[in-house]
Amino acid sequence: AQRVTQPEKLLSVFKGAPVELKCNYSYSGSPELFWYVQYSRQRLQLLLRHISRESIKGFTADLNKGETSFHLKKPFAQEEDSAMYYCALNPGAGSYQLTFGKGTKLSVIP
Amino acid sequence: DGGITQSPKYLFRKEGQNVTLSCEQNLNHDAMYWYRQDPGQGLRLIYYSQIVNDFQKGDIAEGYSVSREKKESFPLTVTSAQKNPTAFYLCASSSGTGTYEQYFGPGTRLTVT
Repeated sequence: AQRVTQPEKLLSVFKGAPVELKCNYSYSGSPELFWYVQYSRQRLQLLLRHISRESIKGFTADLNKGETSFHLKKPFAQEEDSAMYYCALNPGAGSYQLTFGKGTKLSVIP
Repeated sequence: DGGITQSPKYLFRKEGQNVTLSCEQNLNHDAMYWYRQDPGQGLRLIYYSQIVNDFQKGDIAEGYSVSREKKESFPLTVTSAQKNPTAFYLCASSSGTGTYEQYFGPGTRLTVT
């Protein structure tokens, strides 16, 4: 069975500082990885997925199959980035299931 | 703010009673999902449905039941067999497999006393 680990429950950074939210996974196949975000009083929503290789709101994430990681990065944190971030894995091969990590709460200090 | 709706926002029940949570979507999505969200636990999949009249158990299906009689609707019943029913429940839908974006509802907070 697949597993997603987000080692930090809470991450606090100052505005303008770089941000890295860690995500490690365990799965023997070729998974697809996602980052979902939940801002205060808003619904959980997709931030980005590794297959699209795009930057959303300044965030990027690279899938490192050797290290089985999918860390989320942003060079300069903004106050509006404060939110709960969840890493998620889909096993691929037509699977409908998403396995979520426990989440990391990012707090950007003004 | 249509898309996917859940009702009610807050629900209170006495222990031993079954309770049904509503989830409706107007996105014409084939797949629908139910998750449970507990503090520090992330989201855990309860049930999912790929098409009408079909559904599969997720990781924590015990004590829950679902139906999918219409494409738009995927109600979740929390039965008295669920040992720790108090939680935040999220419904989601997607247009296809797990590679597709899941769209989430606002959630229902269930409190059982």
